[in-house]
Amino acid sequence: RKEVEQDPGPFNVPEGATVAFNCTYSNSASQSFFWYRQDCRKEPKLLMSVYSSGNEDGRFTAQLNRASQYISLLIRDSKLSDSATYLCVVNPLNSGAGSYQLTFGKGTKLSVIP
Amino acid sequence: SQTIHQWPATLVQPVGSPLSLECTVEGTSNPNLYWYRQAAGRGLQLLFYSVGIGQISSEVPQNLSASRPQDRQFILSSKKLLLSDSGFYLCAMTAHTYEQYFGPGTRLTVT
Repeated sequence: RKEVEQDPGPFNVPEGATVAFNCTYSNSASQSFFWYRQDCRKEPKLLMSVYSSGNEDGRFTAQLNRASQYISLLIRDSKLSDSATYLCVVNPLNSGAGSYQLTFGKGTKLSVIP
Repeated sequence: SQTIHQWPATLVQPVGSPLSLECTVEGTSNPNLYWYRQAAGRGLQLLFYSVGIGQISSEVPQNLSASRPQDRQFILSSKKLLLSDSGFYLCAMTAHTYEQYFGPGTRLTVT
């Protein structure tokens, strides 16, 4: 099983739609979870951290299910500017002390269509 | 806030030529620094990380090397490039949390 798995998509949705991305991770000891956004030919940018209780930032909602080792990202009222690849990210068990390494999923591509 | 600089932005090099990519960080001290490569259509691959000056950990054996001569400077090098070294090279940092921030990247094409 891969450390972090995501549906590669692409997800093609109309403007205003709600879209959800899912991610599973293999390491039950992982403690930190994030969603990053990567625009075409650009660097990944931190979108939001994912907390155990779930968290919301405007149109974006992230949820964590530790029992199922599952993370989700919900985008409401999609905008054209939301078109990007969304990366699911967790910290691996075998990261060296103090190294703060992360494991990145390969990403889910979203295209929001006018 | 922290800023990460990378140069050059793009690079075209012939097979067998040397490589030197530089990353510098502003706005923080003693960061952890990382080099990633993203091949076309692929995920991020961690190449090296550093927790301090002169301290380099390699994640993937290959013909690349990294050095950290100063606290906020991280360099990726190769003596002889291979075609398979083509990709998008990203420098990232953490300020002792798990939240990583990336520089703008260097797009390398080996011909």
